[in-house]
Formats: sequence, C-alpha cells, structure tokens
Amino acid sequence: KNQVEQSPQSLIILEGKNCTLQCNYTVSPFSNLRWYKQDTGRGPVSLTIMTFSENTKSNGRYTATLDADTKQSSLHITASQLSDSASYICVVSPFSGAGSYQLTFGKGTKLSVIP
Amino acid sequence: DGGITQSPKYLFRKEGQNVTLSCEQNLNHDAMYWYRQDPGQGLRLIYYSQIVNDFQKGDIAEGYSVSREKKESFPLTVTSAQKNPTAFYLCASTDRARTGELFFGEGSRLTVL
Repeated sequence: KNQVEQSPQSLIILEGKNCTLQCNYTVSPFSNLRWYKQDTGRGPVSLTIMTFSENTKSNGRYTATLDADTKQSSLHITASQLSDSASYICVVSPFSGAGSYQLTFGKGTKLSVIP
Repeated sequence: DGGITQSPKYLFRKEGQNVTLSCEQNLNHDAMYWYRQDPGQGLRLIYYSQIVNDFQKGDIAEGYSVSREKKESFPLTVTSAQKNPTAFYLCASTDRARTGELFFGEGSRLTVL
C-alpha cells in the first residue's frame, strides 16, 4: 500500500530560527513529490515540486530536498517568520501522467513559529 | 483573478438533513475534486470528475453525491446517510495537461449539531 509518512507531527520554533520537516514515502513507482502549505482554516497552496531527477529546489526561504533512493524528502525553512505558522503537507504522485486522483497525501506537520 | 470559490465557509446541519456545498472555478480546468480533511489525518478523496457529465467515486464516497453539469461547477451533497459528516471539505481542480498541482478552494467547514 502506498504511504507517505511525515515527521514530526508538530513543531514549535522561535521566530528567526531554521527548521526541517521530513517526508518518507513508499509510493512506487514514483514520479514527483510536492510540498503544500496550508494556513489554518484555508486551502493548501503548492510550495514546490520535486521530480525523481532533482535533488534540491528552492522557493525563497523554503528549500526542498529529495533522495529518490531512500525515498525521503525534506523541507527546510530558513529564518522562520510568524507567517510560516501552518501545516505542511507532502504529496506523492506515482507516475508521470498520473491523474490527481492517484495522489498519496501525508498527514502533515503543524509548524508554530512563536515570537 | 482566477481561482476556486467554495461556499458557504461555515455550515451547520441538523442530523438527518442533506446539505450541498458549492464549488466554482474560473481556471478553465477540466478536472475537479472533493476532499475531506479531519484533524490529524491526510486529505481523503471523496469524488472526482475529469470531464463534464462524468465523475468517479474516490476512497470515501459513501454518503456523498456530486454532479458535474458545467465545467465550472462541481457541487457536493452531504446526505443523511453520511454517518460522521462533521469535517473540513476542500474542493480542488487541475489542468489535465499538467497533472499533479492541485489548486484548492478555501474550504467549507460543516458541523452537524
């Protein structure tokens, strides 16, 4: 069964500090992995997409890494801001051309940034 | 601006009542989806539609119904047969030519009293 496991479940950090969120998946075959940010009470928004040939991708203060051999991805947030407080969801697609109905979602990591 | 509009944002229902959640998109996307989100759980697919006048059951379709009469609209009805309907419901769409990135609405929170 395809699964996406995220850790930690929740995380509290001080404003200005860095943090790293983890995503391990058992989806096979594998095409791409997306990280979404979901503010409380709102819909998720895509942060970045990683294909199997990519190791690192940045989007501002967000940097995603992917190790397709170990089936692990991480999302690193640099110099955190209060607006980074949200849930971060890892989503894996099984193969190129797969419909979005075939995605596997992680349960998310809830990040709280405190002053 | 292009996007997905869900309404209402908050909805209260008495047990035994059917309710319909609205989802409209002006992104010209072919495919639309309904997800349910519960605390501590990942998004679960209820129904999806890849083209007008066609839709398919997702993983947790029991107690729900949908229609897709127009490309822009994909309403979800939560029926009285749904035993635990209190949840946050998310509508999404994607361009079939660019599978993977889901564009989500702002969600509808349904509470059964």
